[in-house]
Amino acid sequence: TQLLEQSPQFLSIQEGENLTVYCNSSSVFSSLQWYRQEPGEGPVLLVTVVTGGEVKKLKRLTFQFGDARKDSSLHITAAQPGDTGLYLCAGEWETSGSRLTFGEGTQLTVNP
Amino acid sequence: DTAVSQTPKYLVTQMGNDKSIKCEQNLGHDTMYWYKQDSKKFLKIMFSYNNKELIINETVPNRFSPKSPDKAHLNLHINSLELGDSAVYFCASSRAPRSYNEQFFGPGTRLTVL
Repeated sequence: TQLLEQSPQFLSIQEGENLTVYCNSSSVFSSLQWYRQEPGEGPVLLVTVVTGGEVKKLKRLTFQFGDARKDSSLHITAAQPGDTGLYLCAGEWETSGSRLTFGEGTQLTVNP
Repeated sequence: DTAVSQTPKYLVTQMGNDKSIKCEQNLGHDTMYWYKQDSKKFLKIMFSYNNKELIINETVPNRFSPKSPDKAHLNLHINSLELGDSAVYFCASSRAPRSYNEQFFGPGTRLTVL
């Protein structure tokens, strides 16, 4: 059984702090995506990573894909209250076909 | 203009009833999906259609039956509703089946079974 583990599950920090969210698997991903979901809405794509070692930046968000394509991280610098939300990693394994598996999510709260 | 729309937004019903959720996308995408998000926010794929053909059918009770009348619509019919069916159901679409394509999600339908 392929598992996609996301940590931490909950994160409450003060405005201006940095944070990192992790997404791990024992199997190799064909691609991995990070989504953000706000209350009452569907998830919205932040980034897709495909190449091992790839780093992508979106303003204060930095996404990294592990060299072996089994893990990924999302780092937020100087978090703002507007960053509050549910962050979801979602991966497609090499052996799972066109099927996206989501992690359990990280509920981030940034306090002013 | 809403890219992926779902109706209804909220659905409250009794155990044993049959209900449907409708989904429409105006993005011209070929692939559509149904996901279930439980109370712990875990999002799990249920079905996927590509050009009106079923391509993903996860281990879902056969009380759940998706129907795709055309590429722009994917409806979900649920028979004999059970308490455990209570969840938020999301419809999504993407340009093509491969998961590295961005999936656009609808606003969700919160189903409560009493």
